[in-house]
Amino acid sequence: AQSVTQLDSHVSVSEGTPVLLRCNYSSSYSPSLFWYVQHPNKGLQLLLKYTSAATLVKGINGFEAEFKKSETSFHLTKPSAHMSDAAEYFCVVWGSGTYKYIFGTGTRLKVLA
Amino acid sequence: ETGVTQTPRHLVMGMTNKKSLKCEQHLGHNAMYWYKQSAKKPLELMFVYSLEERVENNSVPSRFSPECPNSSHLFLHLHTLQPEDSALYLCASSRNRAANTGELFFGEGSRLTVL
Repeated sequence: AQSVTQLDSHVSVSEGTPVLLRCNYSSSYSPSLFWYVQHPNKGLQLLLKYTSAATLVKGINGFEAEFKKSETSFHLTKPSAHMSDAAEYFCVVWGSGTYKYIFGTGTRLKVLA
Repeated sequence: ETGVTQTPRHLVMGMTNKKSLKCEQHLGHNAMYWYKQSAKKPLELMFVYSLEERVENNSVPSRFSPECPNSSHLFLHLHTLQPEDSALYLCASSRNRAANTGELFFGEGSRLTVL
C-alpha cells in the first residue's frame, strides 16, 4: 500500500531565506511523486514531479525536490523564499498497483517580511 | 490556466435545493475526478471516471450524483445537501487513470455553501 506523510503542518520562514518542506512516502512499487501548491480559494497547481528519471527534479518558481529512495523522502526546497510563495503545499504519491493519487495532509507555508 | 474549467466558482444553496457543478477539460484526457476539500481535513477523493465509466465511488452519500456524458465533461448533481457538505469541490483530469507519468490537472474549484 502507498502512503505519504508531510512532517510539518505549518512552516514559517523569512523572505529571502531557504524553504524546506518535508515529505516521506511509503510505496511497494517504484513510485511517482508530485508536489502541488494551492493558493487561497484556488485549485492545486503542479510544482514538479518525479517519475523514475533524474532524482533531482526542478520545478516552477525556483522549487526543486530530491528523490531519496534510501530515506523514502521527497523533500521540497527553494533557496530563497518570496512573499508570493505563501500557500499550502501538498505532497502526492501515485500508486501503480491501485491507480490512486494519495495526498498528504498539506503544509501551510508562511513567509514573513 | 490549467485547461480544466469549473463552474460556478461560488454557489450558495439551501438544504432543499437541487443544483449542479460543472467541469470541462480541454486537454484530451481520459480520466476525470471529483475531490472534496473541507477546512482542516485532507483532500477527499469522491469519484473517478475513466473513459466515461465510473471506476471509483468512495462511499459518497447518494445526495451527490456524478455524471460524465463524455470524456471532456463531468458534472456533480447536488440535492438535499447538509451544512457539513459546505466545502471546496475540485475537479481534476489526467491523461489516463493507469499512467504513472501523468499528473493531475485541477480546476479552480467550486466553493459550495449549504445554508
